[in-house]
Amino acid sequence: GAVVSQHPSRVICKSGTSVKIECRSLDFQATTMFWYRQFPKQSLMLMATSNEGSKATYEQGVEKDKFLINHASLTLSTLTVTSAHPEDSSFYICSAKPLLLAGGSYSSYNEQFFGPGTRLTVL
Amino acid sequence: RKEVEQDPGPFNVPEGATVAFNCTYSNSASQSFFWYRQDCRKEPKLLMSVYSSGNEDGRFTAQLNRASQYISLLIRDSKLSDSATYLCVVNELTDSWGKLQFGAGTQVVVTP
Repeated sequence: GAVVSQHPSRVICKSGTSVKIECRSLDFQATTMFWYRQFPKQSLMLMATSNEGSKATYEQGVEKDKFLINHASLTLSTLTVTSAHPEDSSFYICSAKPLLLAGGSYSSYNEQFFGPGTRLTVL
Repeated sequence: RKEVEQDPGPFNVPEGATVAFNCTYSNSASQSFFWYRQDCRKEPKLLMSVYSSGNEDGRFTAQLNRASQYISLLIRDSKLSDSATYLCVVNELTDSWGKLQFGAGTQVVVTP
């Protein structure tokens, strides 16, 4: 249980295009999903916290107009990188905090499950 | 100053040996602590939570020292499959979401 998928796993695009990344919780509902970015040999950096049905909360330094987040349902959040540039090339990872784990056990409030990540390369 | 700091390594460990490393955190109000494992180009996966009294999970032992604000991970009888980057993760309960702060990771390379 507690599987998170991301799509696409890899994307290469031209500078100036927009890229949408989907994050889905497959066997649980997640009221809260998180979007991270990781540059080579660096730590995961939280970009934003996405709550179902409300606006995302962005971390300091993350442009909300550039990284559009939509959390339309309890199992899906999307991150759109608008007008991507080479410096946006990175590994984007989502995580989801279960409302209820598969099998009926409750998650501790700390537990997050990570998607497999999306590797974005902007040419 | 980074919220969570780790020695990047690499720690080169002969198979069967023991390796240990620490991580320090800056926020004394941090509530929960974890070790995650990340393989190259993959997502992090939870290795174990770290409890105040210290805890073991098979060959892995985690310790927490709140006074000095560090946590440690010890791996006994290292296997080749233990080669990975180990991420120290601290949960800052700034809100109900539970914000995770990640260290940059400690690379462990187990050699035959």
